[in-house]
Parts: sequence; structure tokens; C-alpha cells
Amino acid sequence: NAGVMQNPRHLVRRRGQEARLRCSPVKGHSHVYWYRQLPEEGLKFMVYLQKENIIDESGMPKERFSAEFPKEGPSILRIQQVVRGDSAAYFCASSGTSGEETQYFGPGTRLLVL
Amino acid sequence: AQSVSQHNHHVILSEAASLELGCNYSYGGTVNLFWYVQYPGQHLQLLLKYFSGDPLVKGIKGFEAEFIKSKFSFNLRKPSVQWSDTAEYFCAVMTGANNLFFGTGTRLTVIP
Repeated sequence: NAGVMQNPRHLVRRRGQEARLRCSPVKGHSHVYWYRQLPEEGLKFMVYLQKENIIDESGMPKERFSAEFPKEGPSILRIQQVVRGDSAAYFCASSGTSGEETQYFGPGTRLLVL
Repeated sequence: AQSVSQHNHHVILSEAASLELGCNYSYGGTVNLFWYVQYPGQHLQLLLKYFSGDPLVKGIKGFEAEFIKSKFSFNLRKPSVQWSDTAEYFCAVMTGANNLFFGTGTRLTVIP
């Protein structure tokens, strides 16, 4: 569903820099999910957020990664001190508040760490 | 732990051939099942989904999938593929936790 917006679409960072990935869900959706797709692999769940709350972060690396979904504004996935292994496509998905369980995906942000 | 297996990594077919992509999952409880498609350079799009009811579900573009609970399978089918079906196909399972578990994907190449 083209309603999920992600930016930037491509991001290049040098090792040690910070990466900030943004996701605006479908209008009216209050559930946001982040997934990571490494080369030649399927998507892996990272974190599930509702407005101002982290519901499940079981897929998030313990260090350097954080996510937020503030009351106002997009959801942010933040990677500090990036390393080459962080190079991947990061996808955001959203679902609605009425129990609709279909997740609609954004176009992804392709992060390349040099 | 939940897992999703897609045994076919790359499938090459000629136009008009029939397609069946396998998907098996491991989870003993109630599941919701999905097939997503990713066309070259585009984002994931929902192809079809199964929540309950008729185990044979029909999706967009002539695709269908059958949920066979006893086999823990949700195979994707299309009777006659087109060149425009060239894409990567992902099977996904949702358990009670609201998270999607994805298979590794099957790349379909359709030769005109």
C-alpha cells in the first residue's frame, strides 16, 4: 500500500556515523513495525510500536539500535555508530487500530555503510 | 520458535506455465497467513491473505493459495504465469504476537 512513506529511500553512511530512518504510516494507522532485509535473505522483524510505546523489540539488536513512534510525527529507526554489517534494506509497515492485522509496507530505505 | 520455509529459491518458467510455490511453517497455534510480492525496484505488496474460513483464498492477479492445516502449508498457485509476474514472492505467518515471520523468498523469473 503506497500509503506508507519512508525516507530517505537510499542512505549512505561511513562507519561510525549515525543513520536515521523515517516512516510515516498509512493515515489513521497507529501500529508501526520495522523489518530488516539483509542481502539474499527474507525480512526479519525488528520492532513493533504503537504511538509513544514500544510493544515488542525482541528483534532489535541490543546495542546501537533504537526506535520511537512519537505522538506527533513519523516513526524513527536510529542506528548509532553504523558498521558495514548494518547495510541492508529497512522496511516499515503499518496496520490500523480496529484490529485489522494486515500490514502494509513502505518502499524501504536502503542503507549502505562504506 | 516460529519459522517459515520456502524451499524454492529461484523458479524459472515460460509464459503460460503453471506455478506452485511452496510454503511451510512451524507453529502449533492459530496463524494468519500471507503472501507478499516484491516486483523489481518496488516495495512489498500484499498478494493474498488467510485469516479464517475457506482454506482456498483468491488474491490479486489470478493468484490463489490453499491453507492445509494438517500439512502446515500455504502454497501459492497460478494456472498460467505472465512475464509481468517476474518478482520475488514472500510467504509470511502471523501468530498472536502481531509480528510477521517471513520466509526467505522465492525469486520467480518468467521467460517470454
